[in-house]
Amino acid sequence: EIVLTQSPGTLSLSPGERATLSCRASQSVSSNYLAWYQQKPGQAPRLLIYGASSRATGIPDRFSGSGSGTDFTLTINRLEPEDFAVYYCQQYGSSPPITFGPGTKVDIK
Amino acid sequence: QVQLQESGPGLLKPSDTLSLTCAVSNDSISSNYWWGWIRQPPGKGLEWLGYIHYSGSTYYNPSLKSRVTMSIDTPKNQFSLKLTSVTAVDTAVYYCARKPAGTGQFDPWGQGALVTVSS
Repeated sequence: EIVLTQSPGTLSLSPGERATLSCRASQSVSSNYLAWYQQKPGQAPRLLIYGASSRATGIPDRFSGSGSGTDFTLTINRLEPEDFAVYYCQQYGSSPPITFGPGTKVDIK
Repeated sequence: QVQLQESGPGLLKPSDTLSLTCAVSNDSISSNYWWGWIRQPPGKGLEWLGYIHYSGSTYYNPSLKSRVTMSIDTPKNQFSLKLTSVTAVDTAVYYCARKPAGTGQFDPWGQGALVTVSS
């Protein structure tokens, strides 16, 4: 099973700053099947990034994903008030096919 | 756009069987997607339970495989989850979601259904 580790656990930033979130896999993620989700309290997760770097439909371009193999990054440029939330990475491909990281909370400093 | 909506009992007793249904609107469940279930215990992270294709093919999380069954009802355009012998650790918000075939991501997700297991 591929284990995903996210860091930091909590990121305290101010609106307008850049957030850099890390997702590290215990083994190489095949075909860069790595996705990022945003979850706000009381809401379902929302897909932000798939295939490590492709933005989902309707996602602002301040969100970007990068990385390959075992190291992936979600960058949020110029944090907006609505971006403060929990972010999860998710991989697909190994056995079991789907695992999620523990999440990074981005909160207001 | 496509919408998913979970439904089912919100309170179960230990040893009961959890049964949830996900109704799909604005898309055919027979299209080339996998239909999945993910759960989230209160205040915790996400756990993938499994997914099903309209052909009947399924993949389950090995940690729950002996207790999980998923099915599809094509005429009603919905799919279902059954989890047997529940305990308090199965208390969670259960989400249904769509995954395009050949890809790894879930989009969109239903709003979620809270299932509490308590005696």
